[in-house]
Amino acid sequence: GAGVSQSPRYKVAKRGQDVALRCDPISGHVSLFWYQQALGQGPEFLTYFQNEAQLDKSGLPSDRFFAERPEGSVSTLKIQRTQQEDSAVYLCASSTSGVGAWAFFGQGTRLTVV
Amino acid sequence: AQRVTQPEKLLSVFKGAPVELKCNYSYSGSPELFWYVQYSRQRLQLLLRHISRESIKGFTADLNKGETSFHLKKPFAQEEDSAMYYCALRRRGSNYKLTFGKGTLLTVNP
Repeated sequence: GAGVSQSPRYKVAKRGQDVALRCDPISGHVSLFWYQQALGQGPEFLTYFQNEAQLDKSGLPSDRFFAERPEGSVSTLKIQRTQQEDSAVYLCASSTSGVGAWAFFGQGTRLTVV
Repeated sequence: AQRVTQPEKLLSVFKGAPVELKCNYSYSGSPELFWYVQYSRQRLQLLLRHISRESIKGFTADLNKGETSFHLKKPFAQEEDSAMYYCALRRRGSNYKLTFGKGTLLTVNP
C-alpha cells in the first residue's frame, strides 16, 4: 500500500471490553512502533518490533496491553478489560532498519471507552 | 531520562509574519532532533530533521547544543502552514523510539 494503514479508524468500547487494533506497515519496513496519544498530548511510545521480535515493550502502561507481530508484517495491539483512561489515539509507525531512517505514521485509531 | 519541551501550546500569527516554534530538550547522550507536522485531518508526517540541514516548505531548524534547543523558524508564514507541530528526539545513530513534545498548534491568520 501507499502508507501505513490502521484499522479501525474509530472504536467505541464499553468499560471492561477487550479490543484489538490493527496496523499494516509499509511493505518491506522492518521496524514497527506503537504510540499512544492522549488528548492534548504528544505521542508516547508503547512498544517496538524489529521484524517479529518485540525488542522493547517498556512503554506499555499495564499488563492489560499486549502487542504482537507474528510474521513480521501486520501488527495487532490488544487491550484487555478496557478502562476509561485507555481512551486515546493509538498510532502505528513503520520504518526501514537503516541508521537514520525516519518513521512513517498511520492515521491512528481513536479509542473511546465508555 | 529524555524530555522534549514545547513551551507554547498555541501560537497565532498573521500571514507574512515571521514564525518561531520553540523546542527545548534534555538528553544525556547525542540526540537526533525532528519536527513532525500534522495538518487538519491528516496523519503525522516528518517535516525536517537536524542532520539533513535542509529547508522544507520554507521552514528551517538549527540544533543549538549549548542551549539544547531546536527551534523551528519560517520568515514569512502562509495560511497553509496552520497545523499542529511536534518536536521529537531519539538517540543519534539509531532507528529507535521517538520522544515527542506536547505540540504547538500554529494558526496563521489571513
